[in-house]
Amino acid sequence: DAGVIQSPRHEVTEMGQEVTLRCKPISGHDYLFWYRQTMMRGLELLIYFNNNVPIDDSGMPEDRFSAKMPNASFSTLKIQPSEPRDSAVYFCASSYGGAGTQYFGPGTRLLVL
Amino acid sequence: TQLLEQSPQFLSIQEGENLTVYCNSSSVFSSLQWYRQEPGEGPVLLVTVVTGGEVKKLKRLTFQFGDARKDSSLHITAAQPGDTGLYLCAGENEYGNKLVFGAGTILRVKS
Repeated sequence: DAGVIQSPRHEVTEMGQEVTLRCKPISGHDYLFWYRQTMMRGLELLIYFNNNVPIDDSGMPEDRFSAKMPNASFSTLKIQPSEPRDSAVYFCASSYGGAGTQYFGPGTRLLVL
Repeated sequence: TQLLEQSPQFLSIQEGENLTVYCNSSSVFSSLQWYRQEPGEGPVLLVTVVTGGEVKKLKRLTFQFGDARKDSSLHITAAQPGDTGLYLCAGENEYGNKLVFGAGTILRVKS
């Protein structure tokens, strides 16, 4: 299996622009997680899906953040409008049967100028 | 809110030395995972421990889950430069739907 695939790997944008991050989970996995990692706050869970349904979005920092999972093989995390404080590495992870063993993608490094 | 305290935050040692990283909480976890992350990459799962008191070995790495399933340790014997990276512990909550991550330990092994 190719593992969790994320795109783009790097994104540089200007404040106010819309940013869309993409994730393809491991085939057969029924859980998908979006995380954000910064030096100050470590790894934070933003939202997770089970069988394509958003279950807990309490970690989403603001209404500017939204996530969708239209099918079992694709998810997006959108930031609109983006702000400099959104600069971080965003990870997607997937698992099967629960949160216990998650497999992470390589991450998207986002820089908002 | 379940929290995991990881220590130390930073560790810089010489090749060949031994080290231990600790992960502690006042909460009980269903399972606990250890991940290793290299710069520019995502965390990679090293091990999952499930049973209180469980010990797992992965070559020079030894993982232990506390009897009460509230704490864990990672011991590396004869560290190598290739062990350099960020080590993260993560506890699975009682509902099995989330992982709580520790802040991580940055390990640097000098040759």
